[in-house]
Amino acid sequence: GDSVTQMEGPVTLSEEAFLTINCTYTATGYPSLFWYVQYPGEGLQLLLKATKADDKGSNKGFEATYRKETTSFHLEKGSVQVSDSAVYFCALSDKGDDKIIFGKGTRLHILP
Amino acid sequence: DVKVTQSSRYLVKRTGEKVFLECVQDMDHENMFWYRQDPGLGLRLIYFSYDVKMKEKGDIPEGYSVSREKKERFSLILESASTNQTSMYLCASSLGARGRNYGYTFGSGTRLTVV
Repeated sequence: GDSVTQMEGPVTLSEEAFLTINCTYTATGYPSLFWYVQYPGEGLQLLLKATKADDKGSNKGFEATYRKETTSFHLEKGSVQVSDSAVYFCALSDKGDDKIIFGKGTRLHILP
Repeated sequence: DVKVTQSSRYLVKRTGEKVFLECVQDMDHENMFWYRQDPGLGLRLIYFSYDVKMKEKGDIPEGYSVSREKKERFSLILESASTNQTSMYLCASSLGARGRNYGYTFGSGTRLTVV
């Protein structure tokens, strides 16, 4: 079945460092891909999404490119801030499916 | 913006109690979902609903039931709460896929402790 694998955390970086969180997926169809973020004590928020190959989703300085050839959707940010400390979830939804499958999440700590 | 409201942020209940977790969305979304979130296990789907009075089991429905009498409200019921149901519960809603899923909107979560 469909699945999402993302790098295990926690990931600890200094402020202004470059961030990459790896995500790969397995899907039988042609999925939509998402990154969600969960700040401490809150629910998940949609960070960005991409619906077809080579699409780049972007929001709040974060980017991810839908790579069909490598079945990947890695999250990147050029210069992280302390306020980016959160748990990040990679997710997919196969075409025509209302359900979303989530990875297990990667906790990110940014040190001042 | 769509808002998904969960009735309680924190709940403490006793073992054996019947527990109701309420979720309301205000943007006429067809689909609603209940997940639980546990450390190391990520998000696991309990139940979902594509329409009023419809419900489908997710990956871990045992010990839970749901009710959707109105489109905007989706309730999760713990028939007889047990300590292993201590968890963070997240409600989400979305438009019907119609060929492409554009993502969920989540509530803020209810942290349930069963003692």
